Amino acid sequence: RKEVEQDPGPFNVPEGATVAFNCTYSNSASQSFFWYRQDCRKEPKLLMSVYSSGNEDGRFTAQLNRASQYISLLIRDSKLSDSATYLCVVNGRPGYSSASKIIFGSGTRLSIRP
Amino acid sequence: EPEVTQTPSHQVTQMGQEVILRCVPISNHLYFYWYRQILGQKVEFLVSFYNNEISEKSEIFDDQFSVERPDGSNFTLKIRSTKLEDSAMYFCASSGRDNYEQYFGPGTRLTVT
Repeated sequence: RKEVEQDPGPFNVPEGATVAFNCTYSNSASQSFFWYRQDCRKEPKLLMSVYSSGNEDGRFTAQLNRASQYISLLIRDSKLSDSATYLCVVNGRPGYSSASKIIFGSGTRLSIRP
Repeated sequence: EPEVTQTPSHQVTQMGQEVILRCVPISNHLYFYWYRQILGQKVEFLVSFYNNEISEKSEIFDDQFSVERPDGSNFTLKIRSTKLEDSAMYFCASSGRDNYEQYFGPGTRLTVT
């Protein structure tokens, strides 16, 4: 089983639609979870951290289900500028005395059409 | 807003040559990383660095790779003898005291011919 698994898409939705992405991770000891977005040939940009209680940032809502080892991202009222690849990212065991790697999923491509 | 910077943006080198990729992490960050992304593939972890030593490295980070923080601001990745398969985008990242959220630089595109 892959460490972080995502549906590669592409998702092609009209502007204004709501779209949801899912992600599963294999390591139950994982501590921190994130969604990044990546535009073509650019660096990953942190979109939001994912907290156990779920969190919202404007049109974006992230949920975490530790029991099922599952993370989701919901985008409401999608804009043309939301077109990108969305990367599910999991951090192993961050600590104060060492730097912890993050593990990327392969990404889900989203294309918003006018 | 503080950001991670990387130079050069594009490096072309011949197989067998040494390259040094440079990064300036966000100034108050303590943890530093290198990742790479081969075209069309996912981002892969190479190495993490804290307190002037390597914290963790992947299988990719073999003896041909090394990292250094030569002064208070730069963080470098050296590839001693480049191979064709080293062609990729190399991203530097840094994170702050809580070591959770990592911020990425714009990357260096390395092309080995």
